[in-house]
Amino acid sequence: DSGVTQTPKHLITATGQRVTLRCSPRSGDLSVYWYQQSLDQGLQFLIQYYNGEERAKGNILERFSAQQFPDLHSELNLSSLELGDSALYFCASSVRWDAPTDTQYFGPGTRLTVL
Amino acid sequence: EDQVTQSPEALRLQEGESSSLNCSYTVSGLRGLFWYRQDPGKGPEFLFTLYSAGEEKEKERLKATLTKKESFLHITAPKPEDSATYLCAVQARGTGGFKTIFGAGTRLFVKA
Repeated sequence: DSGVTQTPKHLITATGQRVTLRCSPRSGDLSVYWYQQSLDQGLQFLIQYYNGEERAKGNILERFSAQQFPDLHSELNLSSLELGDSALYFCASSVRWDAPTDTQYFGPGTRLTVL
Repeated sequence: EDQVTQSPEALRLQEGESSSLNCSYTVSGLRGLFWYRQDPGKGPEFLFTLYSAGEEKEKERLKATLTKKESFLHITAPKPEDSATYLCAVQARGTGGFKTIFGAGTRLFVKA
């Protein structure tokens, strides 16, 4: 158990809908990362927050957005869902973002199925 | 373009048959290289971080090494429970901060 929690574990929805994925980082970690993992793409970095502020952006679609709240939990919002958005979504956390010893610890993931 | 390539894509071993997994990378400003293990449907589990060429780290039957262009994950006398996907990731300088790039992984199957 990495100490990173994600809810829900599974999510089934329809095309065009909007969903919110939630992540709580390990105790003491200030940085949160979101990744998407689909069968044909591997782990793709989406976005990173550090202490409430956006720190880095990867291949995140405009239909997706995220935020990190004062209590450091983070939410990933996915809207206008398409079949191709079906994937595992992982959250990871680390103590900071710029320390040489920073290691990202991953949560168990949320499996999103868009029908 | 920054890139991480893992080989082979899949590896089938007999129990006790040692082997190595390769991770080659092309990035500017390497900050660290990470190895993770991932079981089906679960989150990646951290194994090692390597920072500089020549560095080695060990954990049970696993040993990771790093050169200027690649990293190897050596598995000595593997057991069936070592079956998993092994992911390599590099962290490098990006716009406004650092970016993490994952390889596609090597799927390891160890048969008893």
